[in-house]
Amino acid sequence: NAGVMQNPRHLVRRRGQEARLRCSPMKGHSHVYWYRQLPEEGLKFMVYLQKENIIDESGMPKERFSAEFPKEGPSILRIQQVVRGDSAAYFCASSTDRAGFGELFFGEGSRLTVL
Amino acid sequence: GENVEQHPSTLSVQEGDSAVIKCTYSDSASNYFPWYKQELGKGPQLIIDIRSNVGEKKDQRIAVTLNKTAKHFSLHITETQPEDSAVYFCAASLSGSARQLTFGSGTQLTVLP
Repeated sequence: NAGVMQNPRHLVRRRGQEARLRCSPMKGHSHVYWYRQLPEEGLKFMVYLQKENIIDESGMPKERFSAEFPKEGPSILRIQQVVRGDSAAYFCASSTDRAGFGELFFGEGSRLTVL
Repeated sequence: GENVEQHPSTLSVQEGDSAVIKCTYSDSASNYFPWYKQELGKGPQLIIDIRSNVGEKKDQRIAVTLNKTAKHFSLHITETQPEDSAVYFCAASLSGSARQLTFGSGTQLTVLP
């Protein structure tokens, strides 16, 4: 049973470009969470999604960031017009239908570098 | 919102000794407190968690204690081994679940052989 799969593992973008990060949850998990980790810091909650629905996006910046979890395919975190401050590790996590009362399983992260 | 502070930021112990990491939280309504271990280049992995109706929980060499009055909780690792070396994060949640966790800033634990 494969774990949470994230890709790409490393992404380099120039300022102004777009970054797309993908996350495939564990089999049987329908809840996906995105967290951002800045260097030397803890993880910061960004968004919580179920299939085709955004449940809680209180941690998402209001501009340039968006997330989706379509009926088919992976969850995608999209960052438009990236700036240097977007450089970070972005972690996806998934859980079972018990909406977080089960264990949260994290992927290995996508490390975004903005030049 | 919730704020979680974690200390120390770095901790070195000799193999076989115990390690203690402490966290405080600000919102007395928080009721779920997991601990995660993150190895270099990997994602965080849950190692133990505790809910607010319990004061202590143990799993082999790992234990977590919770003091709701003082709003702090601690991770205790006994008989440390080199493979315990990693970054450890505490977290707190208002929802009683892993939804919308607020993380501490992490503790780099190094176990010296």
